Amino acid sequence: EVQLVESGGGLIQPGGSLRLSCAASGFTVSSNYMSWVRQAPGKGLEWVSVIYSGGSTYYADSVKGRFTISRDNSKNTLYLQMNSLRAEDTAVYYCARGGRITGTSDFFDYWGQGTLVTVSS
Amino acid sequence: QSVLTQPPSVSGAPGQRVTISCTGSSSNIGAGYDVHWYQQLPGTAPKLLIYGNSNRPSGVPDRFSGSKSGTSASLAITGLQAEDEADYYCQSYDSSLSGFWVFGGGTKLTVL
Repeated sequence: EVQLVESGGGLIQPGGSLRLSCAASGFTVSSNYMSWVRQAPGKGLEWVSVIYSGGSTYYADSVKGRFTISRDNSKNTLYLQMNSLRAEDTAVYYCARGGRITGTSDFFDYWGQGTLVTVSS
Repeated sequence: QSVLTQPPSVSGAPGQRVTISCTGSSSNIGAGYDVHWYQQLPGTAPKLLIYGNSNRPSGVPDRFSGSKSGTSASLAITGLQAEDEADYYCQSYDSSLSGFWVFGGGTKLTVL
């Protein structure tokens, strides 16, 4: 059974740093592309970052230069290092496993339960 | 402002049929990228509902169906049930500079 369990969220002051973790089971993180998707309170979903099986990484413009996605294959865990946090980064952060049926059909087939990050002084 | 446009809310009585639209542009849906749908029950994580425009993952009832045409897509729910009350999001891929995975703003379905 595929499971994703996030951790690491909390209350952090503006300008601070936080590292989120996503422990995976039931599949190998390095065999799929993996993403972080966030949801601000009462708002919709926003894609944040992706790491492909080959190791390539990409980011949304809103977090580029501040966030870093990575994975530890030995722990089968995905990470999101968040630096220079801003109030607008306040959201529930979900890790999600990528699915693909063709080159024009990328989606997320499994999601974690999410971890809340609150950026406030 | 979401890249994909959805109505903020729809409603229907139990047993009725409702549809939720998702409108994109030439850099996402119109470029040939598939549309996928997620259901988010209150207080829970999103769950994949439809992938590849019209495919249902195992366990999703056939009351849910999806379609795509041109730069738009639709999710249809027939035989509406109380447990269908949730937020629904469409998602596609965007080939523009600020692209990658893009979502609609979400539609709140209320079962009357």
